Amino acid sequence: GEDVEQSLFLSVREGDSSVINCTYTDSSSTYLYWYKQEPGAGLQLLTYIFSNMDMKQDQRLTVLLNKKDKHLSLRIADTQTGDSAIYFCAEYSGNTGKLIFGQGTTLQVKP
Amino acid sequence: GAVVSQHPSRVICKSGTSVKIECRSLDFQATTMFWYRQFPKQSLMLMATSNEGSKATYEQGVEKDKFLINHASLTLSTLTVTSAHPEDSSFYICSAFPTGQNIQYFGAGTRLSVL
Repeated sequence: GEDVEQSLFLSVREGDSSVINCTYTDSSSTYLYWYKQEPGAGLQLLTYIFSNMDMKQDQRLTVLLNKKDKHLSLRIADTQTGDSAIYFCAEYSGNTGKLIFGQGTTLQVKP
Repeated sequence: GAVVSQHPSRVICKSGTSVKIECRSLDFQATTMFWYRQFPKQSLMLMATSNEGSKATYEQGVEKDKFLINHASLTLSTLTVTSAHPEDSSFYICSAFPTGQNIQYFGAGTRLSVL
């Protein structure tokens, strides 16, 4: 079945770059997304990438997509303490019309 | 981006009561909305797909008589947790796709605590 996997935890120092990785299994995925969730809040869309793209950059965020390996990454440049949150990778399943979420990666940013 | 409003943000109720949660798309129309449940430190679990003007589609294992969904207009879906029990305590989040877009926008969530 469709599955999305992420590492559970990442700790970085303020000012460093963070890289959060994600793998997925559904080859029919057309869109892949990164969402951010702060404690007690809903999900905030950070960025998304269409499956025919390799890279997308938006200010401090860079998304890389390796469709052959079904690997997606989110790089946050100059990570700040305000970036501390849970980051969810999600794929849009062309088979079901639903979003499939990873387990979420908790990003801890140390001053 | 599009805005999805969810209300209430937090509710505490006694066991056996019913609780209604509203999800509104403020600046777009949504023929389809989604309801998720999230347990602490876990990912989102899709409960059901809410379809405007028709019955909701529930995921396997979700009791449709327990979690009533009504999508009466293009901007409003409601989730009613009937006869709530402590095990229903959770964080419930709704989302919606603006028509013609492939981006799902989320509400801020509702924290339900059943005593």
